[in-house]
Amino acid sequence: QVQLVQSGAEVKKPGASVRVSCKASGYTFTGHYMHWVRQAPGQGLEWMGGIKPNSGDTNYAQKFQGRVTMTRDTSISTAYMDLSRLTSDDTAVYYCARDRTNTWYGGLDWWGQGTPVSVSS
Amino acid sequence: DIVMTQSPDSLAVSLGEGATINCKSSENILYSSDKKNYLAWYQQKPGQPPKLLIYLASTRETGVPDRFIGSGSGTDFTLSISSLQAEDVAIYYCQQYYNTPLTFGQGTRVEIK
Repeated sequence: QVQLVQSGAEVKKPGASVRVSCKASGYTFTGHYMHWVRQAPGQGLEWMGGIKPNSGDTNYAQKFQGRVTMTRDTSISTAYMDLSRLTSDDTAVYYCARDRTNTWYGGLDWWGQGTPVSVSS
Repeated sequence: DIVMTQSPDSLAVSLGEGATINCKSSENILYSSDKKNYLAWYQQKPGQPPKLLIYLASTRETGVPDRFIGSGSGTDFTLSISSLQAEDVAIYYCQQYYNTPLTFGQGTRVEIK
């Protein structure tokens, strides 16, 4: 059974950074691309970027370039998303989501439970 | 960026009746080399992550009921629910994965009339 288990809720001050982790199980971690998607309260879905776990190659949305870093540790089948210089606009639920394929063009077939991140002074 | 536009924003349907959601992309998302449309549909219920229903515009994900039907090609796509059940109340999103950044439609809320 595929599972993506994310780290817990975070509360941050403006200007701070946050790290969200996503531990995968039930499949070969390096065989599937991993995406990060966020959802602001009451809003739609926004793709932030993704990482190819076997190579570490990343692809970030232009909007987050310079502020986001996606990494992985294949030894523990875990992906990480770091977001820096937080503002209140970054308040959202952050999801990791597995791609059906080992690239970014397959569709997102398994999702983590979501990690709420609140940014407030 | 490819802009995905869904219509309507919301709809109310009687139990057992059909529902249709439209999704239009600002660019063609039919990949010429394999003749496949790089479009997915997701269902999101309150407090839950999205769930993949359809990929490649018309292929149902394993376990998805056959009342969910995806169709369309190029720039115009449709998700149909042939006989609405109470558990289908949700927000539905289309998403293109033809190019990065991957982009989603704004969502369509489906409710029971």
